[in-house]
Amino acid sequence: GDSVTQMEGPVTLSEEAFLTINCTYTATGYPSLFWYVQYPGEGLQLLLKATKADDKGSNKGFEATYRKETTSFHLEKGSVQVSDSAVYFCALRKSNSKLTFGKGITLSVRP
Amino acid sequence: SAVISQKPSRDICQRGTSLTIQCQVDSQVTMMFWYRQQPGQSLTLIATANQGSEATYESGFVIDKFPISRPNLTFSTLTVSNLSPEDSSIYLCSVDSGGNTGELFFGEGSRLTVL
Repeated sequence: GDSVTQMEGPVTLSEEAFLTINCTYTATGYPSLFWYVQYPGEGLQLLLKATKADDKGSNKGFEATYRKETTSFHLEKGSVQVSDSAVYFCALRKSNSKLTFGKGITLSVRP
Repeated sequence: SAVISQKPSRDICQRGTSLTIQCQVDSQVTMMFWYRQQPGQSLTLIATANQGSEATYESGFVIDKFPISRPNLTFSTLTVSNLSPEDSSIYLCSVDSGGNTGELFFGEGSRLTVL
């Protein structure tokens, strides 16, 4: 079945460091890809999305590009802030089916 | 975007009892989903609830343990029955955005602790 694999965490960075969180997927067909974020004490929010190959999703300084050739959707940010500390989930979904999540990774950003 | 309200936001229950979680959406939606997030884990789909039909359960989840109601297009309930400490989790309601991008909106979750 469909699956999402995220790099192992947790990740701890200093403020203004570059961030990459790896995500690869296994799926038949052409899924949409998502990054969701869960800030401490809050619900799950959509961070960004991409619906087809070579699409780049972006939001709040974060970016991810849908790479079909490598089945990847890595999340990047050029300069992280303390407020980016959260749990990040990569996910995929094919039309009208369930949203399949990766395990999530905890990011902590030090001042 | 849809606004999703869940009640209760948290609860502590005794072993053997049941808890019913409510999910209210501010707009009519066809598909509603119930997820479970066990401590330190990812989200796992419990079931999909469509109005007017029986909920569809994922492998490993059964109706007797997780009965779901979907009386109309804006409301659903999930009951977790015969509670055990292993049921301690966050339970989240989500709905389809209705667009063609496939994104889901999530409620803030209901944190259940079973003693």
